[in-house]
Amino acid sequence: AQTVTQSQPEMSVQEAETVTLSCTYDTSESDYYLFWYKQPPSRQMILVIRQEAYKQQNATENRFSVNFQKAAKSFSLKISDSQLGDAAMYFCAYRSARGSAGGTSYGKLTFGQGTILTVHP
Amino acid sequence: NAGVMQNPRHLVRRRGQEARLRCSPMKGHSHVYWYRQLPEEGLKFMVYLQKENIIDESGMPKERFSAEFPKEGPSILRIQQVVRGDSAAYFCASSPGLQSHYGYTFGSGTRLTVV
Repeated sequence: AQTVTQSQPEMSVQEAETVTLSCTYDTSESDYYLFWYKQPPSRQMILVIRQEAYKQQNATENRFSVNFQKAAKSFSLKISDSQLGDAAMYFCAYRSARGSAGGTSYGKLTFGQGTILTVHP
Repeated sequence: NAGVMQNPRHLVRRRGQEARLRCSPMKGHSHVYWYRQLPEEGLKFMVYLQKENIIDESGMPKERFSAEFPKEGPSILRIQQVVRGDSAAYFCASSPGLQSHYGYTFGSGTRLTVV
């Protein structure tokens, strides 16, 4: 079974600075997807960025980028020019790209424990 | 195009009562996933359904919990004889199909409180 670990329960950053959130995962699969989700106090789960394991290039979405190290099974999120609206809980998640026998594990997301990000003005 | 709609937003039940949580997927989405988030924890997979079929219920507790996604109407997560430990936020997500390579669209969740 896959596991996802976020070792930083809390992080803080000054507005306009850069912060990196860590995520490691364990899997025996070679083909999978990785995601970062943001959960503000409203509780809505918002997709921040995604990465396909077969792609060497790190994904980027505006101020958000990832450092994907497949051999190390590491998937960190970098937030540049932090804004007050970035304050939230951030979850790293894993999804297999193919199903197990019978296809049952195809759609399942496995989440880490989350990192609470505080942004100071 | 409305997103994933979950209702109610908050639900309070006394121990022993039944809780029914509803999820209407995005238009055009035929796959629904339910997740549970206990306080201070990440989301845990419960069940994956397609219309009229349960595809994967490996995360569902063996007793008191059931889920359905009928041909017409929303997906329902049903918890019978609720206990305090069932208090959590329950999230629904939907996707267009198995070949979707994107993260799913989540609803805003239902916070269940058992008193």
